[in-house]
Amino acid sequence: SYELTQPLSVSVALGQTARITCGGNNIGSKNVHWYQQKPGQAPVLVIYRDSNRPSGIPERFSGSNSGNTATLTISRAQAGDEADYYCQVWDSSSYVFGTGTKVTVL
Amino acid sequence: EVQLVESGGGLIQPGGSLRLSCAASGFTVSSNYMSWVRQAPGKGLEWVSVIYSGGSTYYADSVKGRFTISRDNSKNTLYLQMNSLRAEDTAVYYCARDRGAVGNFDYWGQGTLVTVSS
Repeated sequence: SYELTQPLSVSVALGQTARITCGGNNIGSKNVHWYQQKPGQAPVLVIYRDSNRPSGIPERFSGSNSGNTATLTISRAQAGDEADYYCQVWDSSSYVFGTGTKVTVL
Repeated sequence: EVQLVESGGGLIQPGGSLRLSCAASGFTVSSNYMSWVRQAPGKGLEWVSVIYSGGSTYYADSVKGRFTISRDNSKNTLYLQMNSLRAEDTAVYYCARDRGAVGNFDYWGQGTLVTVSS
């Protein structure tokens, strides 16, 4: 089965840029989606199809995907961006989530 | 406005059964791909099952043969029948919508907690 690997945690200074990676075999050939989840809340889609933002998601969130790594970038990080982030792909009639990354804004 | 509201969670003994419901509003369940996704306490997201608009169903290996996904078009509601429950099934269960073209979940319910314990 397909696997997605993310770093356990990422720290970023307030106002700086955070990059969260998602590794998978030839992930560049798949559509990658990203979710933000705050404590006690349901996940929220922040990036779909590698680099597209749903309405209401700030332009500070961007994504890229190539080779074996997809990346979610959070620019000008704010305290409200502290959350868990998950990547996700669709593979062989199933949905696969990454292991999740906790983002801390210092 | 799109809304998904789960219900049916609770405390159940190992080996028991439970049925979760997900009432949808603002869109038609049968016209979308609808999934159940779960999250064990302190853990990550795990996809459980999907029912396609055409009616085909798929399951994660961890629940295959024990869980059944279904829908009632007249009630615009999604279900998850869970049998032979195990301690490792303890989780918050979310229903989520995939519009089918992109393979992501654009709307999620608030979740319902299932605790399997004696």
